[in-house]
Amino acid sequence: GAVVSQHPSWVICKSGTSVKIECRSLDFQATTMFWYRQFPKQSLMLMATSNEGSKATYEQGVEKDKFLINHASLTLSTLTVTSAHPEDSSFYICSARVAQQASYNEQFFGPGTRLTVL
Amino acid sequence: RKEVEQDPGPFNVPEGATVAFNCTYSNSASQSFFWYRQDCRKEPKLLMSVYSSGNEDGRFTAQLNRASQYISLLIRDSKLSDSATYLCVVNPNPSGNTGKLIFGQGTTLQVKP
Repeated sequence: GAVVSQHPSWVICKSGTSVKIECRSLDFQATTMFWYRQFPKQSLMLMATSNEGSKATYEQGVEKDKFLINHASLTLSTLTVTSAHPEDSSFYICSARVAQQASYNEQFFGPGTRLTVL
Repeated sequence: RKEVEQDPGPFNVPEGATVAFNCTYSNSASQSFFWYRQDCRKEPKLLMSVYSSGNEDGRFTAQLNRASQYISLLIRDSKLSDSATYLCVVNPNPSGNTGKLIFGQGTTLQVKP
């Protein structure tokens, strides 16, 4: 149980295009999903917290107009990187927290999406 | 100062060795602590939570020292399959649990035959 999927697993795009990444909880409902970014040899950095039915909460330094997050249902959150540039190339990982156990801290991670912007 | 600090390593050890990783955190109000494992180009996976009394899961032992704001992970009888990056993770929220996690940079372990 507690499986999180991401799509696509990798994407290569031209500079200036927008890329949408989907994060789905397959066998549980997730009131909260989190979006992280990881550059090579660096730690996961939390970008934003996504709550179902409400606006995402962005971490300091993350542009909300560039990284659009939508969490329309309890099983799906999307991250859209708008007008992507080479410096946005990174490993984007989502995680989800089980809805029925809001006080439980374990997060289940998706397999990640590797974005390369040319 | 980083919120969660780890020695990046790499730690190169022979099979069967015992190896220990340390981690320090800056927020004294932090309540939840974890060790995650991340393989190359993969997502992190929960290895174990860390409890105040210390806890053990097979060959893995985690310890927490709140006074020193220090967390450790001990791996006994290392296997080749233990080669990975080990991430120290802290939930800094003392209340109103948002689920936010702060990740350390990770410590890389290479177990050699």
